[in-house]
Amino acid sequence: QQQVKQSPQSLIVQKGGISIINCAYENTAFDYFPWYQQFPGKGPALLIAIRPDVSEKKEGRFTISFNKSAKQFSLHIMDSQPGDSATYFCAADTGTASKLTFGTGTRLQVTL
Amino acid sequence: KAGVTQTPRYLIKTRGQQVTLSCSPISGHRSVSWYQQTPGQGLQFLFEYFSETQRNKGNFPGRFSGRQFSNSRSEMNVSTLELGDSALYLCASTLEGTGFGKLFFGSGTQLSVL
Repeated sequence: QQQVKQSPQSLIVQKGGISIINCAYENTAFDYFPWYQQFPGKGPALLIAIRPDVSEKKEGRFTISFNKSAKQFSLHIMDSQPGDSATYFCAADTGTASKLTFGTGTRLQVTL
Repeated sequence: KAGVTQTPRYLIKTRGQQVTLSCSPISGHRSVSWYQQTPGQGLQFLFEYFSETQRNKGNFPGRFSGRQFSNSRSEMNVSTLELGDSALYLCASTLEGTGFGKLFFGSGTQLSVL
C-alpha cells in the first residue's frame, strides 16, 4: 500500500525557532515530494517541492531535506513566525503531481 | 487571475440522497483532481480528469463519480450518501497534469450527511 507517514501530529514552536516536520515513504516509485500548507477554511497551498535527484531545496525560510536511501524527507521552517501557524502536509507522487498521496498532517502553532 | 472555484461552499444532505459538487479550475488549466479530506483519513485522492477523460482513480466505491466538461469545469457526484461521506471535498487544478506541475486547490465544499 502506498503510504506516507508524517510526524509529529502537532508541534508548538516559539517565535524565531525552527520547526521540523518529518515524513517517510514506502513506495520507491515516488519521485516528487511536495509540502502543502493549509489554513483553516482554506484548501492546501503548495509551499515547496523536491525531486529525489537533490538532497536539499531551500526557498526563503523553508527548506526540504531529502534522504533517498532512508526514504525520508523533512520540512524545516527557520525563524518561525506566528503567521506560519497552520497545518502542514507532506505528499508524494509518481510523476504527474495530480494524484498525490498525502501524509496525515502536522498542526503547527508558533507562539509569541 | 481567479483561483479554483468550488460551489457550493457548504451542503447538508440526508442519508440515501445524492449530491453534485462543482469545480471551476484556473483559466487555462486542463487537469482537475478531486480529494476528500476528513479528520480521520486525512486527504485522499478521488479521481483526476484531463481533457474530459478520467485519467486516474483512487480507491473509492462506485458511488463516487465525476466528469469534466469541454471548458475544463468538473463535477463530482456522490450517490446514496452515507454518514461516512461527511467531509471536505477539495478540487485542484494544474496546467498540464504532467511534469510535476503545481497543483492549485480550491477552498472546498463542506458536505455534512445527516
